[in-house]
Amino acid sequence: QVHLVESGGGVVQPGRSLRLSCAASGFTFTTYPMHWVRQAPGKGLEWVAIISSDGTNKYYADSVTGRFTISRDNSKNILFLQINTLRIEDTAVYYCARHPSSGWYLDYWGHGTLVTVSS
Amino acid sequence: SYALTQPPSVSVAPGQTARITCGGNNIGSKSVHWYQQKPGQAPVLVVYDDSDRPSGIPERFSGSNSENTATLTISRVEAGDEADYYCQVWGSTSDPYVFGPGTRVTVL
Repeated sequence: QVHLVESGGGVVQPGRSLRLSCAASGFTFTTYPMHWVRQAPGKGLEWVAIISSDGTNKYYADSVTGRFTISRDNSKNILFLQINTLRIEDTAVYYCARHPSSGWYLDYWGHGTLVTVSS
Repeated sequence: SYALTQPPSVSVAPGQTARITCGGNNIGSKSVHWYQQKPGQAPVLVVYDDSDRPSGIPERFSGSNSENTATLTISRVEAGDEADYYCQVWGSTSDPYVFGPGTRVTVL
């Protein structure tokens, strides 16, 4: 049973940094690409980033390029999202999600972690 | 970037059929995926590749896609189907995973 658990969210001041984690279990983590998706309060879903199964290839939404870094530790089955120079508009629930072995969608999602950027 | 449109809301009586549309330029040439998100919960994939259902998703959920409109159909609607529904496509290399704005389904 696929299980994804995000952590690391909280209240943070503008300009600071934060690292989110996503612990994966119930599947062979090392063989799947992984995503981050965010959802601002009361808004829709916004794709943030994807990382290949071995961590060598990474792609980002234009809105976060240069400030966000996706990475993974395949020895510990953990996905990360480093967010630098946080902005008010980064306030959102951040979800990690699995990319299936074939196709262009997200097949399993975690419950999300809330990041609130506020002074 | 590739843009998707969805109606903000759809209302349906229990037992009836709900149809949620997702519009896009020549969307029929793309694979469309649908997610259900209940209040306070994570999204759940309900249809992928236009019309396939993941295991555990009831047959009441079906999808179609042609020309400029994709449709998620929920047959015999139940109170538990009340949720936000998002369509998603692969847009382009510069804008890969595009979500629609979402449709709130209300069961009357």
